[in-house]
Amino acid sequence: ILNVEQSPQSLHVQEGDSTNFTCSFPSSNFYALHWYRWETAKSPEALFVMTLNGDEKKKGRISATLNTKEGYSYLYIKGSQPEDSATYLCAFLTGGGNKLTFGTGTQLKVEL
Amino acid sequence: DVKVTQSSRYLVKRTGEKVFLECVQDMDHENMFWYRQDPGLGLRLIYFSYDVKMKEKGDIPEGYSVSREKKERFSLILESASTNQTSMYLCASSLQVGGETQYFGPGTRLLVL
Repeated sequence: ILNVEQSPQSLHVQEGDSTNFTCSFPSSNFYALHWYRWETAKSPEALFVMTLNGDEKKKGRISATLNTKEGYSYLYIKGSQPEDSATYLCAFLTGGGNKLTFGTGTQLKVEL
Repeated sequence: DVKVTQSSRYLVKRTGEKVFLECVQDMDHENMFWYRQDPGLGLRLIYFSYDVKMKEKGDIPEGYSVSREKKERFSLILESASTNQTSMYLCASSLQVGGETQYFGPGTRLLVL
């Protein structure tokens, strides 16, 4: 069973703070890394699908980087807002595989 | 927009009952997935299907079965519900397996008494 780890487990920040979380995954046989945002009482929503080492993706105030050689991805949120409060999930896919392995998520709470 | 719907948001069932969880997607996606989510654990794959009438076991298939008679519909069946199947169940679909984004339903919170 593949191990995908996310840290921290939870995070409280003030509105306007910038923050980042980490997703660690096996560095061998990499195919893709997904990030999802899951707000309470809503469906998980895709943020990014990353496939290339060194990839950087951006969506508004949220961005992500990928290092496949060392097996990690960072998710950054610039100027956090209360609406960013959610659980952020990463999921890893190996080459030749067809199943995503999810991390346990980072729960972000942005306070006024 | 892709829409994935699940038949119930909340369900309460008794131990030993047969339980059906239904999932429907409206974007003609080939692949559909059933996950469960428990506190402290990541989403865990129960079963997935890459075509009508095709299915593959995920990481935790024990105690579950699935049915995909039509492309848009993927059902999860608990043959004889047990208390350890109390969980949040999420359905997802994607155009292809592999690197494609998965689109999730809102989840069904199942309580087995």
